[in-house]
Amino acid sequence: DQQVKQNSPSLSVQEGRISILNCDYTNSMFDYFLWYKKYPAEGPTFLISISSIKDKNEDGRFTVFLNKSAKHLSLHIVPSQPGDSAVYFCAASDNNDMRFGAGTRLTVKP
Amino acid sequence: NAGVTQNPKFQVLKTGQSMTLQCAQDMNHNSMYWYRQDPGMGLRLIYYSASEGTTDKGEVPNGYNVSRLNKREFSLRLESAAPSQTSVYFCASSEAGTSGGAPGELFFGEGSRLTVL
Repeated sequence: DQQVKQNSPSLSVQEGRISILNCDYTNSMFDYFLWYKKYPAEGPTFLISISSIKDKNEDGRFTVFLNKSAKHLSLHIVPSQPGDSAVYFCAASDNNDMRFGAGTRLTVKP
Repeated sequence: NAGVTQNPKFQVLKTGQSMTLQCAQDMNHNSMYWYRQDPGMGLRLIYYSASEGTTDKGEVPNGYNVSRLNKREFSLRLESAAPSQTSVYFCASSEAGTSGGAPGELFFGEGSRLTVL
């Protein structure tokens, strides 16, 4: 069973606009949530994270929002840039067990 | 500073053959992981090692074995490869250990693409 779900396989936005990537999870024991970015032929790289005790974490153009009651988190990228085009994975962890979503391919058009 | 290094990068096997994927990290991390990535499935955890000398099963351990040789190295072995094991395999490491704290950031290798015919 997939405990972390990213229901949108792809997203296309215009440069300068906001990108919103969504993620849902089912396991209420998850206590830490992360977003990873992956370019072709490379390993995923960490982007931003949030603890379950917070509802927002911001790092430059990237903001992650957590809604625990809805078991939902989202990543906002503002403004989007062509270099942001990549696959974004949502991940959730419970101690050493980290589960990933299927990924969303973001394309930012110039 | 190489980070996480995986070998080989590419491998083609015939059904029933065996092979070992090697992984080494130079960041002195306690925890190491093996994931596989398949289209539409994301990254699925095969095995992890919270610290030297310990290993635990993840979501999809069947058909695989692992060895935490020392703190730096964590290998993944396929004893009898099957076409269903065709995938891209990623090794990762992190600071998280047996303390039970948040795992934080995973550092990934570049991946090993395995094809089983």
